[in-house]
This record gives sequence, structure tokens and C-alpha cells, in this order.
Amino acid sequence: GAGVSQSPSNKVTEKGKDVELRCDPISGHTALYWYRQSLGQGLEFLIYFQGNSAPDKSGLPSDRFSAERTGGSVSTLTIQRTQQEDSAVYLCASSFGPYTGELFFGEGSRLTVL
Amino acid sequence: GQQVMQIPQYQHVQEGEDFTTYCNSSTTLSNIQWYKQRPGGHPVFLIQLVKSGEVKKQKRLTFQFGEAKKNSSLHITATQTTDVGTYFCAGLSNTGNQFYFGTGTSLTVIP
Repeated sequence: GAGVSQSPSNKVTEKGKDVELRCDPISGHTALYWYRQSLGQGLEFLIYFQGNSAPDKSGLPSDRFSAERTGGSVSTLTIQRTQQEDSAVYLCASSFGPYTGELFFGEGSRLTVL
Repeated sequence: GQQVMQIPQYQHVQEGEDFTTYCNSSTTLSNIQWYKQRPGGHPVFLIQLVKSGEVKKQKRLTFQFGEAKKNSSLHITATQTTDVGTYFCAGLSNTGNQFYFGTGTSLTVIP
């Protein structure tokens, strides 16, 4: 597609359930980022993928959070045993490379944990 | 650890007034980017600054990168209601491969 695509756009789940959020970056972009944005707050870095290198997972808040990037393209962020504090908008972004140019953001996935 | 702070956190201005947001990093940056996020939207890239002391203009917006490459500013002249949103800076560290986003400045323009 022309832009970064994220799904679902909205997800409501019950506390304790697992959720998967998907990101389809712009074709040809080697760098992919996940950020979390709570209501009215800034962007919290979660994880970063660059090509086939080992991902930078330093921003993941707990071991309930994990992410994969298959074939250097689509990425899935998984949150296990969701908690109410996980409620936020999860933003994915991609770029040509780690040192070049802008980040293109998707529309985000709004997660609400009841 | 790396920190990028922005001030002010919130700013309300009358339409036509000027607006400035400041971004400060605890360490030297390789480059800095600015993004705008409209209410309910996602961050959209505005500009990238790379050189020490660099100044770039986009119509009513003026972006500046400090001489020490640790701070930056965004100035909007004669604000309009279309300028409403949150402005984020994002610095790329010299040693890492990660953008450190600032805390953001939320701008409200009163017609």
C-alpha cells in the first residue's frame, strides 16, 4: 500500500486476554518501530527492527509484550494477559533506514482493556 | 539515559499570535526531526535538521538546530486555527539507532 497500515484500528478486550496488533510497513522500508501513546501523552518507544538484525527490545515494558517481524516486512505486536494500564494507542512507523529520513506513521491501533 | 524534553507542555494563543516550542536533549544529537500530530491523528513529519546552527523555514514555520546540537526550536508566526495540534521533536542519538521523541507541546489556537 501507499502508507503504513495497522490493524485493527480499534480493539476492546477483557483484562487477562491476549491481543495481537499488526503493522504492514511501506514497501522497501527496512526500519520498523512500535510506539505506545497513552491519552494526551507523548510517544513511548517499545521496539525497533532494522532489516535482519536483532531487534532493539529495550522499550518493552514487561515480558508480556513481544513483537515479531516476518520476512523483513509485516510486524505483529503481541500483548499477553492484558492489563488495564495497557490501554493506549499503539503506533507503528517505518522508514527507509535508521539514519535516513522521516518516520512514516500508521493510523494506530487503539486498545482498550476493560 | 537519553532524554529529550520539550517546553512548554501546553500553550494557548490567540489566533495571529506567535508560538514557540523548545526541545532540549541531555546528549548531543546526530539530527533532529519535528512532527505534528493533529487531535485524533498520527504524527506527521515536518522537517529534519542535521547541521549545527541550521535554520530552515516552511512558510510561517521556522526551525532551528542549536550550535551544540543539543537543542532545537520551532517557531510559528501568526498562528492560525489550522496550526492546532501537538508538536513533537525527535532526536537521533550519535551512538544509537533510535529516535528519542520529546514530550510534546500541545498548541491550542483561540479564534
